[in-house]
Amino acid sequence: DAGVTQSPTHLIKTRGQHVTLRCSPISGHKSVSWYQQVLGQGPQFIFQYYEKEERGRGNFPDRFSARQFPNYSSELNVNALLLGDSALYLCASSWSGDNSPLHFGNGTRLTVT
Amino acid sequence: DQQVKQNSPSLSVQEGRISILNCDYTNSMFDYFLWYKKYPAEGPTFLISISSIKDKNEDGRFTVFLNKSAKHLSLHIVPSQPGDSAVYFCAASAPGAGGTSYGKLTFGQGTILTVHP
Repeated sequence: DAGVTQSPTHLIKTRGQHVTLRCSPISGHKSVSWYQQVLGQGPQFIFQYYEKEERGRGNFPDRFSARQFPNYSSELNVNALLLGDSALYLCASSWSGDNSPLHFGNGTRLTVT
Repeated sequence: DQQVKQNSPSLSVQEGRISILNCDYTNSMFDYFLWYKKYPAEGPTFLISISSIKDKNEDGRFTVFLNKSAKHLSLHIVPSQPGDSAVYFCAASAPGAGGTSYGKLTFGQGTILTVHP
């Protein structure tokens, strides 16, 4: 079975631009979560979607948004990019979100210049 | 506000010996705890978890211990192998509205484990 797949793997953007990151969960998984990991820190929660509805939002500005599609894939959008948005963005999926461990993709490395 | 802390940035162990990674938390609402391993250029990989109703969970070479009164958990790896060299993250979650809380994990900063042959 394919794991969580994320695209693109690497991305370089300029300050002020917009970016869209994509994630396909493991087949059968209905919950998708997004995390930001900056160097030297643990992943930080951004959003959780379950059955296409937002179920949780972390402490991130409104420039960050996401959505989940009928096939359970998901997009993370970031507007008006700042240098501080440079990070590894991780997508994770789970069967239902309840007591089932998250399975992570390999992430998208975003560099903002 | 660091609710999950891994106070040891790194740990070096000889092959065959025990590795003990520690994690402390402050949020009493956390009821589910997990350990993840991360290699460079890969996403975190789930290792083992424990519910707050237990104090120990074993899976092969990996054992997680939970001390709720001390708000402390630890991961024991016995015996340690060079392939275990990676960054280890502990993570925790708390119940949320609707019960679908486990997509939201709070992670520690990670501990770099190096196992020497």
